[in-house]
Amino acid sequence: NAGVMQNPRHLVRRRGQEARLRCSPVKGHSHVYWYRQLPEEGLKFMVYLQKENIIDESGMPKERFSAEFPKEGPSILRIQQVVRGDSAAYFCASSLTRDRAMNTEAFFGQGTRLTVV
Amino acid sequence: QQQVKQSPQSLIVQKGGISIINCAYENTAFDYFPWYQQFPGKGPALLIAIRPDVSEKKEGRFTISFNKSAKQFSLHIMDSQPGDSATYFCAGSGAGGTSYGKLTFGQGTILTVHP
Repeated sequence: NAGVMQNPRHLVRRRGQEARLRCSPVKGHSHVYWYRQLPEEGLKFMVYLQKENIIDESGMPKERFSAEFPKEGPSILRIQQVVRGDSAAYFCASSLTRDRAMNTEAFFGQGTRLTVV
Repeated sequence: QQQVKQSPQSLIVQKGGISIINCAYENTAFDYFPWYQQFPGKGPALLIAIRPDVSEKKEGRFTISFNKSAKQFSLHIMDSQPGDSATYFCAGSGAGGTSYGKLTFGQGTILTVHP
């Protein structure tokens, strides 16, 4: 049973370039969440998506960041015109349901470590 | 505004000792409180979780104690082992009908267990 798969594991971008981070959820999971972890800090929620829909983007910066979860294929977090402050670990998580149930658990991927030089 | 406060930032324990990590939350609408364990270079993994209708949950060497009136909960690791050395995060979720996968994390505690 494959878990949450993220790629690439490491990504280096120059300032001004675009970064694309991919996330394939656990098979059968239709709820995907993106989190950002700055050095020596906790994880901060960015966005919650369900197939083809953005449900909650309250943690997403208003500019340069976007996310999608198409009907087919992985979820994508896109960062345009990256700046040094975007350097962080970006984690994707998925869950089977969104409701209070036994299978509420959010499973995390291993993350993509973005370095902006 | 930080909604989940975690302490201590770091903790050193001898093998066989008890590790205790504390969290306090502000959002009384949270009704799911998981603890995640993260090893360097890895993603967080669910360790144990509790809902506010119980005051304690135990799984093996790991116990969550929950105090709803004080809005606090803690993780106790009994008989701590070097393999437990990791970063631990508490979290809350479920507020206001939001998805339980939308987690508000504490700042994390780096646990080191010396052999």
